[in-house]
Amino acid sequence: TQLLEQSPQFLSIQEGENLTVYCNSSSVFSSLQWYRQEPGEGPVLLVTVVTGGEVKKLKRLTFQFGDARKDSSLHITAAQPGDTGLYLCVGNNRKLIWGLGTSLAVNP
Amino acid sequence: SQTIHQWPATLVQPVGSPLSLECTVEGTSNPNLYWYRQAAGRGLQLLFYSVGIGQISSEVPQNLSASRPQDRQFILSSKKLLLSDSGFYLCAWTLKGGTEAFFGQGTRLTVV
Repeated sequence: TQLLEQSPQFLSIQEGENLTVYCNSSSVFSSLQWYRQEPGEGPVLLVTVVTGGEVKKLKRLTFQFGDARKDSSLHITAAQPGDTGLYLCVGNNRKLIWGLGTSLAVNP
Repeated sequence: SQTIHQWPATLVQPVGSPLSLECTVEGTSNPNLYWYRQAAGRGLQLLFYSVGIGQISSEVPQNLSASRPQDRQFILSSKKLLLSDSGFYLCAWTLKGGTEAFFGQGTRLTVV
């Protein structure tokens, strides 16, 4: 069974702090995606990473794909209350393997 | 542009009653379609996926079934709901060979 482990499961921080969320697996993925989901809504795609070692930036969010394409991280700089939500990573290995998510709360 | 519609948004049903959730996609043809269930604040569990009309693959044996009567219509059903069927149900689509999933707004199902 392929697993994608996300850590931490829950994170509560103050506005302005930095944070990093991790996504790890023993499986190699052809690509990996990060989604953000707000309560009561469907997940929305943030980024897709494809190449080992790839780094992508989306404003204050920095995504990195591990060299071996087994893991990924999401770093948020100067978090804002609008960043609050559930962050999900999804690995693509002919099937989509979903992590359980990191629930982030940014307090004003 | 493509859109996905899922309804109803919320549903409260008694144990033993039937269920029908509908999802339609506009602006694309021959998509892959998915039904997911999500426990509160946690990850997604794939229930069913379909690569074409009448083609349904089940990931988890359970009380639910799915059908795809038309290219862009995906229906999740149950003949008799259980309490454990409560949850947040999400419909999604991807292009053939694509990895980006586009989700509906979800249905909050409460079985009482």
